[in-house]
Amino acid sequence: EVQLVESGGGLVQPGGSLRLSCAASGFTFTSYWMSWLRQAPGKGLEWVANINQDGTEKYYVDSVKGRFTISRDNAKNSLYLQINSLRAEDTALYYCARFRPFDYWGQGTLVIVSS
Amino acid sequence: QTVVTQEPSLTVSPGGTVTLTCASSTGAVTSDYYPNWFQQKPGQAPRALIYSTTNKHSWTPARFSGSLLGGKAALTLSGVQPEDEAEYYCLLYYADAWVFGGGTRLTVL
Repeated sequence: EVQLVESGGGLVQPGGSLRLSCAASGFTFTSYWMSWLRQAPGKGLEWVANINQDGTEKYYVDSVKGRFTISRDNAKNSLYLQINSLRAEDTALYYCARFRPFDYWGQGTLVIVSS
Repeated sequence: QTVVTQEPSLTVSPGGTVTLTCASSTGAVTSDYYPNWFQQKPGQAPRALIYSTTNKHSWTPARFSGSLLGGKAALTLSGVQPEDEAEYYCLLYYADAWVFGGGTRLTVL
């Protein structure tokens, strides 16, 4: 059974940083591109970033370029999102998903940016 | 700024048929946009329904189908069930970036 479990969210001040993690199981992690997506409270979905199987290709939505970094550790079957220079508009539930495309999703981890 | 537009809300009767559409501000949607459709119920993560215009996931009920219609991507539900009441999102591909539509709230009444 494919499982994706996000963690690392929390309350952070504007300008702060967080590292989100996604633990993957139930499939061959090294065979898939992976993705981060987010959903602000009461709002729609937004694609954030994709990463290929070996981490050499990364793509981001324009609004996070230069602030967010997607990465992966294939030895740990884990996906990460380093989020820096956080803004109020980054407040959202952050989901990881398997890019097949976007067939399996985790339950999300909540990031709240507030002073 | 690319904008993907969906109907904000639709209402359908149980057993009826409804079509949701997904338009691109850049012009006609084609298979090159790899349209995806997702269903989201309150408090739940999105569930993938359709990928690459017409392809269903193994768990997608047969009453859901994807197509291109009049320059838009479309999701048709035939024989709507009460449990189909949800928010539906389309997703389009634009040169290494993906853009969601704003969502359609489907009410089954």
